[in-house]
Amino acid sequence: QQPVQSPQAVILREGEDAVINCSSSKALYSVHWYRQKHGEAPVFLMILLKGGEQKGHDKISASFNEKKQQSSLYLTASQLSYSGTYFCGTGPSPDSNYQLIWGAGTKLIIKP
Amino acid sequence: DAGVIQSPRHEVTEMGQEVTLRCKPISGHDYLFWYRQTMMRGLELLIYFNNNVPIDDSGMPEDRFSAKMPNASFSTLKIQPSEPRDSAVYFCASRSRWDSSAQYFGPGTRLLVL
Repeated sequence: QQPVQSPQAVILREGEDAVINCSSSKALYSVHWYRQKHGEAPVFLMILLKGGEQKGHDKISASFNEKKQQSSLYLTASQLSYSGTYFCGTGPSPDSNYQLIWGAGTKLIIKP
Repeated sequence: DAGVIQSPRHEVTEMGQEVTLRCKPISGHDYLFWYRQTMMRGLELLIYFNNNVPIDDSGMPEDRFSAKMPNASFSTLKIQPSEPRDSAVYFCASRSRWDSSAQYFGPGTRLLVL
């Protein structure tokens, strides 16, 4: 079953923070985050594994709450380059790392 | 590294015609994925290969779709006959077994079936 991402869209001013959530009705082993700019291919941001710690990538970090079966992506002091659609891909087991179930995406618009 | 290469980048065809999409994965990658992306259905996995062998094709919509990987450096996705509802962006992605995380996507083929 497809994970639910929220919000569906968000508009921010440059420098503001954003949180994007990804929730699943099934137990999760892994959560993958990707960003897709308009007209381009999705680009990998990070992966969170069951039992792993919160990850960070420049001013973008993510957490994984196994009990709640959800992950959150945090964008701090957003930059114009952060604009795009963010997708989470979930894997219920180690074997499913290859076969992700994708959320519908969260569109992030950063204005100057 | 050239990244994942897809061709053509854009394809416009008429209903009933055969369409062949091509993909060259990153050298050394063991896994190859074919995805379809539409506004209505989002990103859908169609099929994936491991070492040129199809592992799961449960996402292939129907018998009109077929995919092959004759060698480690080439894969095709064929639609025959094509229908307007097949219009979408088709992505190919590859991944190494030594990297448990990232799938590297190609630029996509934008298909329009009239």
